[in-house]
Amino acid sequence: NAGVTQTPKFRVLKTGQSMTLLCAQDMNHEYMYWYRQDPGMGLRLIHYSVGEGTTAKGEVPDGYNVSRLKKQNFLLGLESAAPSQTSVYFCASNDGQGQNQPQHFGDGTRLSIL
Amino acid sequence: LAKTTQPISMDSYEGQEVNITCSHNNIATNDYITWYQQFPSQGPRFIIQGYKTKVTNEVASLFIPADRKSSTLSLPRVSLSDTAVYYCLVGGYSSASKIIFGSGTRLSIRP
Repeated sequence: NAGVTQTPKFRVLKTGQSMTLLCAQDMNHEYMYWYRQDPGMGLRLIHYSVGEGTTAKGEVPDGYNVSRLKKQNFLLGLESAAPSQTSVYFCASNDGQGQNQPQHFGDGTRLSIL
Repeated sequence: LAKTTQPISMDSYEGQEVNITCSHNNIATNDYITWYQQFPSQGPRFIIQGYKTKVTNEVASLFIPADRKSSTLSLPRVSLSDTAVYYCLVGGYSSASKIIFGSGTRLSIRP
């Protein structure tokens, strides 16, 4: 039981390049989330999904797109990377069938945009 | 949105009990209080959750007064491995977009 797995763990991009971050969970959770964490700060919600085929914007969605084609996977895309998107990205999931279910987090993807 | 306020940092020594208090004056009737722990280079990890009074598990205790406007995470007999950032969250996960992680409390444990 791997929980929440994020790939890749590290990546360096040049400004303007695109990439996709993959999040996979094996707990059959309905809800999935993407956060970013900047140095010395808490996590900020980028996008989230309440089920397969659905996505919604969080607090800081600009510059990112997401897709949830399969229940176990949640993809975060950067179409044209900018230095301001240098951050650590965390994916999380929980069982939305019960209110206030704790989130399970992956170990993050460190992304640097040069 | 229920905003939370926590101390930015705290220091303690091995073997001591540590209490971290979180203020949440605007907590709603349906909101729960949840605490997470985060080590460097790792994602946050759920510690404990409660609605009122006291909750205890194998890791910590959570004390919530009757007015629910604050809560206190209690870590008994801390060790060096408890050095981490601790986040207090208030909300109902049915409102996924309203989950807010503040800056947390950076706890440093010394020998």
